[in-house]
Amino acid sequence: GQSLEQPSEVTAVEGAIVQINCTYQTSGFYGLSWYQQHDGGAPTFLSYNALDGLEETGRFSSFLSRSDSYGYLLLQELQMKDSASYFCARRVVTGGGNKLTFGTGTQLKVEL
Amino acid sequence: GAVVSQHPSRVICKSGTSVKIECRSLDFQATTMFWYRQFPKQSLMLMATSNEGSKATYEQGVEKDKFLINHASLTLSTLTVTSAHPEDSSFYICSARSGGLPPLHFGNGTRLTVT
Repeated sequence: GQSLEQPSEVTAVEGAIVQINCTYQTSGFYGLSWYQQHDGGAPTFLSYNALDGLEETGRFSSFLSRSDSYGYLLLQELQMKDSASYFCARRVVTGGGNKLTFGTGTQLKVEL
Repeated sequence: GAVVSQHPSRVICKSGTSVKIECRSLDFQATTMFWYRQFPKQSLMLMATSNEGSKATYEQGVEKDKFLINHASLTLSTLTVTSAHPEDSSFYICSARSGGLPPLHFGNGTRLTVT
């Protein structure tokens, strides 16, 4: 199985901290990525975890626990511009090479 | 660096016609490009993996004869939607990778509307 599950919507206020969870099925796991997508735009890469633990990049951090088949994206000091959809994605290795499978996506709404 | 250019950004066509979408890696060589489709408020669904100089690998349920993919060079892949129908209206996004690991670099997408 290659599915990745995320909450469909999260709402938070400006300046707050929000966590977006992602659970996945374990078979053939090679790392978890996070992408941000604004309406009508291209997904942009945020973070990647190949190993367990926390990766920090400015206001965004991503965490992975392979034993729990779980990861999350943490956004701190939320800004209005962070309102977007966020996708976790896993690398899948097949006979034809690598490919990226995306999660169900979480729409984040940041309010004043 | 790592810019992917996709054209056109929007296209409206009549039912039964064909539409070609181009995806170019501008500053790196992409041995592999990916084509995704995204319906409103939904996730990106991988349609096919395009390898330079060889046939594309299609995901289950994607019609090869309808979605023709050509990857003739290390910087260009094209997706042709043949005999388009209204149900093919969607947001098509290409992506490319310069190595084996993330990140993927995405084009800005093509909004296809079939009338």
